[in-house]
Amino acid sequence: GAVVSQHPSRVICKSGTSVKIECRSLDFQATTMFWYRQFPKQSLMLMATSNEGSKATYEQGVEKDKFLINHASLTLSTLTVTSAHPEDSSFYICSARDPAGVETQYFGPGTRLLVL
Amino acid sequence: DAKTTQPPSMDCAEGRAANLPCNHSTISGNEYVYWYRQIHSQGPQYIIHGLKNNETNEMASLIITEDRKSSTLILPHATLRDTAVYYCIVRVENFNKFYFGSGTKLNVKP
Repeated sequence: GAVVSQHPSRVICKSGTSVKIECRSLDFQATTMFWYRQFPKQSLMLMATSNEGSKATYEQGVEKDKFLINHASLTLSTLTVTSAHPEDSSFYICSARDPAGVETQYFGPGTRLLVL
Repeated sequence: DAKTTQPPSMDCAEGRAANLPCNHSTISGNEYVYWYRQIHSQGPQYIIHGLKNNETNEMASLIITEDRKSSTLILPHATLRDTAVYYCIVRVENFNKFYFGSGTKLNVKP
């Protein structure tokens, strides 16, 4: 299947700083990528849809000014957590839709963020 | 806005078939059923998907009832490495968004 990578795999930062997470589709072009957040012992929660060349669309209750999404190319989407606080500590997972072949989403390995 | 219902957990003996049920009684005619699994602290892994017909691949089989209101994922010979949370998802019409429910924690025991 298609491969999606994320960088970094884990990050620790101080409260008030910003953190950028990258999501790359390695062997296919993805016009659409998705960002999820997962708290311990909970399911994945869709945060936003990242569209190449246009603004991201956010799910209800997700602050677009806090979670900045940029999809500058067909293989890269970035999520920036601005002014991070301890409650933003979570597991962030991206996925990319492969428009060719099987119509499905392929997920990255996730990024664990810890805000101190 | 999960549209599926799954049992929270199931046990299965190693080597036996694991049958994971999912109810999706409000599914629309052109919505697909997808199955993913998530091993601890990893991203979800695609397993299989289907619309009406039963499907089989190298990982599993998907059995969809004739009325499409429920489905069963079958792992024919479960191994310890199949221990994971299994998510049944209905793909929202005209979008590619996935809304995850709470899933089923499958425990494969020796």
